[in-house]
Amino acid sequence: ETGVTQSPTHLIKTRGQQVTLRCSSQSGHNTVSWYQQALGQGPQFIFQYYREEENGRGNFPPRFSGLQFPNYSSELNVNALELDDSALYLCASSLDSIGVLNTEAFFGQGTRLTVV
Amino acid sequence: AQTVTQSQPEMSVQEAETVTLSCTYDTSENNYYLFWYKQPPSRQMILVIRQEAYKQQNATENRFSVNFQKAAKSFSLKISDSQLGDTAMYFCAFMIQYAGKSTFGDGTTLTVKP
Repeated sequence: ETGVTQSPTHLIKTRGQQVTLRCSSQSGHNTVSWYQQALGQGPQFIFQYYREEENGRGNFPPRFSGLQFPNYSSELNVNALELDDSALYLCASSLDSIGVLNTEAFFGQGTRLTVV
Repeated sequence: AQTVTQSQPEMSVQEAETVTLSCTYDTSENNYYLFWYKQPPSRQMILVIRQEAYKQQNATENRFSVNFQKAAKSFSLKISDSQLGDTAMYFCAFMIQYAGKSTFGDGTTLTVKP
């Protein structure tokens, strides 16, 4: 148990719709990262938020956006869903920005998004 | 751009035996971290072991140890005394210091057989 929870666990949406995925980090964790994990592949970095500001972004289009709130919760929003957006979405929280010595990322169990 | 390659999509090992999972990476950076994560069927990614690139000594965590060869850009994971609970997908990951972004390999599915 990592203390990071994601909701919902499963979700089915229609192509073109919008979706919001939620993550509740461990208390005190200032950093949250989001990843997309397609079936049979490793996680791909979407973006990271540190103290409510975006702090790094992977190769994802602007229709992927996020928010981080002062209460250690965060959201991943995806607009204009495409079939290829079907994947497991993982969030990971950490005490400080990843890369700081001794910082460990704690992952949630993920949200399985299916776009039909 | 950084890449991480895990050349063994699937591996199996008998309970109590030792298995080694391979990982190679490519980077021009000098300060970075390497990780092995375990993802069981429950999907929750769990950190197994971490290695700082500036450290020459290989990291060890109980039954898990790494063989870090910086010049060869190789980072293998050795699991000793394999247990049924070790059955999972294992991911090798790379992160540049302070960059915030982790790059993962495509994973190795490990099955421990009784």
